Amino acid sequence: AQSVTQPDIHITVSEGASLELRCNYSYGATPYLFWYVQSPGQGLQLLLKYFSGDTLVQGIKGFEAEFKRSQSSFNLRKPSVHWSDAAEYFCAVVRNQAGTALIFGKGTTLSVSS
Amino acid sequence: DAGITQSPRHKVTETGTPVTLRCHQTENHRYMYWYRQDPGHGLRLIHYSYGVKDTDKGEVSDGYSVSRSKTEDFLLTLESATSSQTSVYFCAISDSSKSPLHFGNGTRLTVT
Repeated sequence: AQSVTQPDIHITVSEGASLELRCNYSYGATPYLFWYVQSPGQGLQLLLKYFSGDTLVQGIKGFEAEFKRSQSSFNLRKPSVHWSDAAEYFCAVVRNQAGTALIFGKGTTLSVSS
Repeated sequence: DAGITQSPRHKVTETGTPVTLRCHQTENHRYMYWYRQDPGHGLRLIHYSYGVKDTDKGEVSDGYSVSRSKTEDFLLTLESATSSQTSVYFCAISDSSKSPLHFGNGTRLTVT
């Protein structure tokens, strides 16, 4: 079965500093990969997705993620964090197969200090 | 925003009672999903549907059943509610298994 691991439960970053959130997946073939963000009291918003091709994908709000097949990872990065980026971030994976569903990691909460 | 409506938005019920949550979409998307969100567990898939009357179990399906008799509605039923089912329930839709999900606003369920 596919699974997603986000090793960091909570991360604190200073405003203006760079950010990297880790995500590892378990699946035999290359799955489809996603990052979502959830602000407090809100629903989930898609940041970016990877299906195939260029392993570095750009998303909204200045985020990017890099797919590394050898490490089964899909880490999310941002060069300079803003206070408004404080939220919970979820990595998700779905198999490259019709009739399957998205599985989420447990999430990483990002706090931004001034 | 994608046209997804969850009802009710909030519900308090007693242990042992049946509860049905409704998800209604106006996007004509093929896939519909029910997730629950709990602190420390992220979002966990309960059941999903990939077409009318086509459903499958997710990670945490015990104690839940679903029905999808038409494209726009996906019902989640807690057959006999327990305190462990206190959670926030999110419905989501997509037009294919690899498309991004669009989420509803959630239903906060409390089982006392």
